[in-house]
Amino acid sequence: SQQGEEDPQALSIQEGENATMNCSYKTSINNLQWYRQNSGRGLVHLILIRSNEREKHSGRLRVTLDTSKKSSSLLITASRAADTASYFCATDASDDKIIFGKGTRLHILP
Amino acid sequence: DAGVIQSPRHEVTEMGQEVTLRCKPISGHNSLFWYRQTMMRGLELLIYFNNNVPIDDSGMPEDRFSAKMPNASFSTLKIQPSEPRDSAVYFCASSLAAGGLFGNEQFFGPGTRLTVL
Repeated sequence: SQQGEEDPQALSIQEGENATMNCSYKTSINNLQWYRQNSGRGLVHLILIRSNEREKHSGRLRVTLDTSKKSSSLLITASRAADTASYFCATDASDDKIIFGKGTRLHILP
Repeated sequence: DAGVIQSPRHEVTEMGQEVTLRCKPISGHNSLFWYRQTMMRGLELLIYFNNNVPIDDSGMPEDRFSAKMPNASFSTLKIQPSEPRDSAVYFCASSLAAGGLFGNEQFFGPGTRLTVL
């Protein structure tokens, strides 16, 4: 797998349910970021978690980071139609590169 | 602030033509990034600048691609000559870098959708 690879590639859930997306990476990182991209738009930053942090919250978003497993998860609680978008993780590797995954396409069903 | 501004929003050109994409970063930001997004390859970092100086252009696919940042409020990405495989959405992003170039929120522009026929 590539650095910053999201899983699943696509996810459809009912409005009101929780959505969980995962990101795995290969090399050690300084921090990991999650971004959202609505169709035809640029990416919007959601949350940044540093390598010495294990969990972070922002509104309905919860991000966890497990550096031992080289993985992160993004949880969106009480999903809404407006959450329909693609979600990307981006890793800031120690070699001073940033790499985005290919994203998870989330579709919230009414 | 108007956010990161990119122009044009859409560009359709013929193979062999020169293409110039433009970006105005958010005022006060000191880092600027150019990305390319395709279905096959996802989002790729092409080049980034810090304080108007190119730091790393290892992501630029070929010599046909070049980027400049003559001042803190303007950057261009040029493709000469363009080829059909350059068709993609090109994003510009800026950030206020502190404590590492990538440890900060990046603000993305709306992108330029390039189609090379």
